[in-house]
Amino acid sequence: EPEVTQTPSHQVTQMGQEVILRCVPISNHLYFYWYRQILGQKVEFLVSFYNNEISEKSEIFDDRFSVERPDGSNFTLKIRSTKLEDSAMYFCASSGAGLASFGSYNEQFFGPGTRLTVL
Amino acid sequence: DQQVKQNSPSLSVQEGRISILNCDYTNSMFDYFLWYKKYPAEGPTFLISISSIKDKNEDGRFTVFLNKSAKHLSLHIVPSQPGDSAVYFCAASVNFGNEKLTFGTGTRLTIIP
Repeated sequence: EPEVTQTPSHQVTQMGQEVILRCVPISNHLYFYWYRQILGQKVEFLVSFYNNEISEKSEIFDDRFSVERPDGSNFTLKIRSTKLEDSAMYFCASSGAGLASFGSYNEQFFGPGTRLTVL
Repeated sequence: DQQVKQNSPSLSVQEGRISILNCDYTNSMFDYFLWYKKYPAEGPTFLISISSIKDKNEDGRFTVFLNKSAKHLSLHIVPSQPGDSAVYFCAASVNFGNEKLTFGTGTRLTIIP
């Protein structure tokens, strides 16, 4: 069964450094997302990406964050100048083998996550 | 901004009995609802979904009910099994799922053998 994969599983970084979190979405999916979950809190939306551009971003996704789909298979989240409060589990998700329309729905499938710890 | 709420943080159910998890929402624009199951240190696993044009969707032991007038949905698991012990998240979306998901805070389900 196709699945979303993410690397690394754990990332530890010093405050102020840059990190890149990598995801390989399900191959025929068209919509890509990043979410995060701070320990003990709910899963929060960061950004959605479709047709090589950002569709929507949350207020969490400030100008330190960026996303890229560099080669048609990988989907990356870059965080520059990391802060202590960026520490969280980051989940990549993908959906949409085709255009969703009335009567056709596209579930989002999640990867296993990357645990980011900023020291 | 709690557009999706799961008011029960935890639930314990005897093995073999029915588990009922509840979720309420406030945004009337939501047209698609999903339930995810999550184990610690893993990503959410999709369980079942329902669109706003239906009031029930069933898949094996899992049934989701939607009451649009009450802005309420529930997940029924029958019969409950020990492997069902996990945190269950309700999520909602607009545009048939190709938009951001808004998650509830989760309910930790414990199945007692």
